[in-house]
Amino acid sequence: GDSVTQMEGPVTLSEEAFLTINCTYTATGYPSLFWYVQYPGEGLQLLLKATKADDKGSNKGFEATYRKETTSFHLEKGSVQVSDSAVYFCALSDRGYSTLTFGKGTMLLVSP
Amino acid sequence: DTAVSQTPKYLVTQMGNDKSIKCEQNLGHDTMYWYKQDSKKFLKIMFSYNNKELIINETVPNRFSPKSPDKAHLNLHINSLELGDSAVYFCASSQLAGVADTQYFGPGTRLTVL
Repeated sequence: GDSVTQMEGPVTLSEEAFLTINCTYTATGYPSLFWYVQYPGEGLQLLLKATKADDKGSNKGFEATYRKETTSFHLEKGSVQVSDSAVYFCALSDRGYSTLTFGKGTMLLVSP
Repeated sequence: DTAVSQTPKYLVTQMGNDKSIKCEQNLGHDTMYWYKQDSKKFLKIMFSYNNKELIINETVPNRFSPKSPDKAHLNLHINSLELGDSAVYFCASSQLAGVADTQYFGPGTRLTVL
C-alpha cells in the first residue's frame, strides 16, 4: 500500500538557518504530494503541493520538488524564523480519491 | 468566519459512554473527511464522504458511525467509548474528491476517555 516516510524529529535550528526535512514515498499510481503544517494547538494547514513529476511547490519561502526518480518530496527553506516552529507533515493522495496518507510528522523548533 | 469548524473542542468522558463530534464547513465543498491523530501525532484517515455518500471507510471499528445530513455537515458518533479512542479527531473538507484537491482542516476535537 501507499506510505510516506519522513525524517524523525525534532529538528532544532537557530533562526536564519537552512532547513531540509526529508520525505520519501511509495505509491502504486501517480500521486499528488503535499506538505501540511500544524502549529501548536491548531489544525493542519496546506503549506504547498505538487501534482506531477518535476513540479515545484512553494509558499512562504518553503519549497519542495516532486522527484519521481527518487520518490522524494523534500521540504526546504533558506532561512527559518522562530514563527516556523511547528510540526510538518508530508502526505500523498493516490487512490482515485483525495484521502491523504500522512508521514509521521517532523517537529521543527527554531530558537532566536 | 471559520471555514471548517468542529464542536466540541475538548471532550472528556468515561469508558463505555456514547459521544458525538460535529463538523461543519462553509466552503461549499462536496467532500468531507474524518481523521484521527494519535498521541504520537500520527494522522490516519477514518472516513470520507462525497455529496453525502460514504466513499472511504478505513477499517474503523463499527462503534464509529459517521453521518452526513447534508454536504456542509459531517458528524461522528462513537458508541461504547474505549481508552484507545483517546485522540485528536480532525474534520476536513475539499472541493471535490480528486487526488490533487487541497483539504482544509478544522481545529480538531481532543477526546479523552477515562
